[in-house]
Amino acid sequence: GAVVSQHPSWVICKSGTSVKIECRSLDFQATTMFWYRQFPKQSLMLMATSNEGSKATYEQGVEKDKFLINHASLTLSTLTVTSAHPEDSSFYICSALRPPSGAYNEQFFGPGTRLTVL
Amino acid sequence: DQQVKQNSPSLSVQEGRISILNCDYTNSMFDYFLWYKKYPAEGPTFLISISSIKDKNEDGRFTVFLNKSAKHLSLHIVPSQPGDSAVYFCAAAGSGYALNFGKGTSLLVTP
Repeated sequence: GAVVSQHPSWVICKSGTSVKIECRSLDFQATTMFWYRQFPKQSLMLMATSNEGSKATYEQGVEKDKFLINHASLTLSTLTVTSAHPEDSSFYICSALRPPSGAYNEQFFGPGTRLTVL
Repeated sequence: DQQVKQNSPSLSVQEGRISILNCDYTNSMFDYFLWYKKYPAEGPTFLISISSIKDKNEDGRFTVFLNKSAKHLSLHIVPSQPGDSAVYFCAAAGSGYALNFGKGTSLLVTP
């Protein structure tokens, strides 16, 4: 399968600070990437769809001003959690859709980023 | 509202026996279903999928069955191996490429 990386893998920050998480597709170019979050013992919940060169599409209930997504290149999407609070502590996972077919099973996931806000 | 449900949070199976993981969905617009395997602190990895036009798909030890009328699918692993121990997520897709995930079932295969 294809390789998608995330950085950092684990971050601890103080309440009120901003944290940037990077998602990179290492061996293919991805025009579409997705950001999910997972709370303990819960499912992965889609937060937003990130399209290269255009604005992200956010799911209902996700604050776009709090979770800033930038997909500036075909191999990199970033998620910035602004003014993080303890309730933002979660496991954030990105995925990238591999062309050309973009079939459902061509969505490859990164290893995730564990965010802990103190 | 959880559109994909995995009602068994955990399952323990002896090595060599069959593991059956179940998944139910509520949205009749879903037309493609996938199973992912996930280890702790890692992202999900694709395992097997099935289109709504089929009722069975097999890949080695893994078989997925789809019952559209019941909105139910299951993943069979036979024979189960200790290395299969992981969390298994059922996911469904309809319009677009975004996936709707269940909460996962933690499978433990004991020697």
